[in-house]
Amino acid sequence: DAKTTQPPSMDCAEGRAANLPCNHSTISGNEYVYWYRQIHSQGPQYIIHGLKNNETNEMASLIITEDRKSSTLILPHATLRDTAVYYCIVWFAGGTSYGKLTFGQGTILTVHP
Amino acid sequence: AAGVIQSPRHLIKEKRETATLKCYPIPRHDTVYWYQQGPGQDPQFLISFYEKMQSDKGSIPDRFSAQQFSDYHSELNMSSLELGDSALYFCASSLRGADTQYFGPGTRLTVL
Repeated sequence: DAKTTQPPSMDCAEGRAANLPCNHSTISGNEYVYWYRQIHSQGPQYIIHGLKNNETNEMASLIITEDRKSSTLILPHATLRDTAVYYCIVWFAGGTSYGKLTFGQGTILTVHP
Repeated sequence: AAGVIQSPRHLIKEKRETATLKCYPIPRHDTVYWYQQGPGQDPQFLISFYEKMQSDKGSIPDRFSAQQFSDYHSELNMSSLELGDSALYFCASSLRGADTQYFGPGTRLTVL
């Protein structure tokens, strides 16, 4: 799996958009970008994933650059409950792969009042 | 929507004892993954099963074993427990192994 690089920590004011970057310069054409978050000691929570196109769901938006070497997770209106560790994971999903997720360092997002 | 169920949620054992953790995947999910998260660390993959067969293996100690049953639930068996086995153990499930993994709430194992 391609390696990802994320900033170790970020701050965001409540109600503002949180933009979390991720670099994955060695990503392959058939690898997806997945985002999970972990709120203190809870199970990792799936947020969103994408391959090439930008994606949006009820939780967040995912912007993937055209060359696919980086992406940004956007939480449009951050709340205190969004304080968590956010993991960007590159994952191959297809063929006979029953791929494990490789969690890297992640970004600790702190949302403050 | 139904989620992944793990039991027990908390477990306290003595050194050299055994422990069994159980995981019940989301209905219709046929693939189960086990992850271990030590204090202050990121989750690390242990082992996975697809259609009751082991599909992948990570840094799982030989003292640990796991299996998936016909109803797709899985059990992680841990023997000769050591202090370093104290951790959160997460189970995740997916459909066909090539789909999004959804995690359970975890089992916190404390070895004294």
